[in-house]
Amino acid sequence: EAGVAQSPRYKIIEKRQSVAFWCNPISGHATLYWYQQILGQGPKLLIQFQNNGVVDDSQLPKDRFSAERLKGVDSTLKIQPAKLEDSAVYLCASSLDLQRGYNEQFFGPGTRLTVL
Amino acid sequence: AQSVTQLDSHVSVSEGTPVLLRCNYSSSYSPSLFWYVQHPNKGLQLLLKYTSAATLVKGINGFEAEFKKSETSFHLTKPSAHMSDAAEYFCVVSDRKDSWGKLQFGAGTQVVVTP
Repeated sequence: EAGVAQSPRYKIIEKRQSVAFWCNPISGHATLYWYQQILGQGPKLLIQFQNNGVVDDSQLPKDRFSAERLKGVDSTLKIQPAKLEDSAVYLCASSLDLQRGYNEQFFGPGTRLTVL
Repeated sequence: AQSVTQLDSHVSVSEGTPVLLRCNYSSSYSPSLFWYVQHPNKGLQLLLKYTSAATLVKGINGFEAEFKKSETSFHLTKPSAHMSDAAEYFCVVSDRKDSWGKLQFGAGTQVVVTP
């Protein structure tokens, strides 16, 4: 079974530029998550989708971050404009279906973003 | 509200000796608890999980953890460390009353294994 795919693996940009990350979850997984992991910290949830609907985006900085999962499968996370403090690893995860009470999450390898 | 405290940011062990990673949690309801491992440049991998059954949970690669409600702890142990165990480990809590299963990660414990 293929795992969660993410691209790119690495990205270096200058502050005030824009960047987008892509995630393809495990086939059949209804729930998709984006996390931000700053160096030396645990992952922090940014946004959570159930199919193509948002169920939690309380920690997403909405003035600069946006995410979509239009067809309920793959997802894109965008930052515009980027700040120095956005340097982090962005992790995508998926789980089968939280509404059935099963919340084991499977993680992708992440995208390491460096903002100069 | 839920939170996790990992009591050690770094642990150094010799190969072949026991490993103990300490985790305390706070949860308003009955929690689900997890340990994840992150090797350099690789995704997070689930080691083990506690949901409500046996309090001693066995995971992959010889790891196990014990849920102690009275102590609000979920410490991770392994009898004999291997060089491949060098990685970062995260204790994670989720309130089972939260139907969306939001995960709260600890800050992580970096494990170094010396020959």
